[in-house]
Amino acid sequence: DAGVTQSPTHLIKTRGQQVTLRCSPKSGHDTVSWYQQALGQGPQFIFQYYEEEERQRGNFPDRFSGHQFPNYSSELNVNALLLGDSALYLCASSDGTDTYEQYFGPGTRLTVT
Amino acid sequence: GEDVEQSLFLSVREGDSSVINCTYTDSSSTYLYWYKQEPGAGLQLLTYIFSNMDMKQDQRLTVLLNKKDKHLSLRIADTQTGDSAIYFCAETADSSYKLIFGSGTRLLVRP
Repeated sequence: DAGVTQSPTHLIKTRGQQVTLRCSPKSGHDTVSWYQQALGQGPQFIFQYYEEEERQRGNFPDRFSGHQFPNYSSELNVNALLLGDSALYLCASSDGTDTYEQYFGPGTRLTVT
Repeated sequence: GEDVEQSLFLSVREGDSSVINCTYTDSSSTYLYWYKQEPGAGLQLLTYIFSNMDMKQDQRLTVLLNKKDKHLSLRIADTQTGDSAIYFCAETADSSYKLIFGSGTRLLVRP
């Protein structure tokens, strides 16, 4: 039973560029949430996708956008990268009807230079 | 408001019990969680408790919830060196899907 997978593992981008991160949920899950974890801090909720729509959004600017595909996988896009966007980006999956159990992937480490 | 606070660091000797504490402010919290994060890794869901419960035990882990004081604790019995990690407390509020995390407690287990 595959858990949550994310790609790539690491990424280095230059300020002003755009980046796309990918996530495949755990088998049987249809809901994907994205979190940003800055160094030394707890994860911060970016948004959650369910039935290919954004169901809830955290306090992040519009530069952060996402998408969910019919197979429930998801992408996180960040435009106009800032140095402060450097962080570990975590994807979590859950069952849309029982979202209280969220299982996390290993994350994508984004470095913006 | 939504805020979750934890102490930053805890050091224990191998074989002792560890107790990691957390306080939260949101009175509408429905579920409270403990996650474990090892260096360079994602978060592992350890256990969670529904807000109408006082205690939950799962093998070496015991979660205690004091809803009146908005205080959550995680006790790890017979702590092992493999338990060294950062432990995050998190909550979800009623009608919300997001997890709100504390800043994490780094647990160091000394041989």
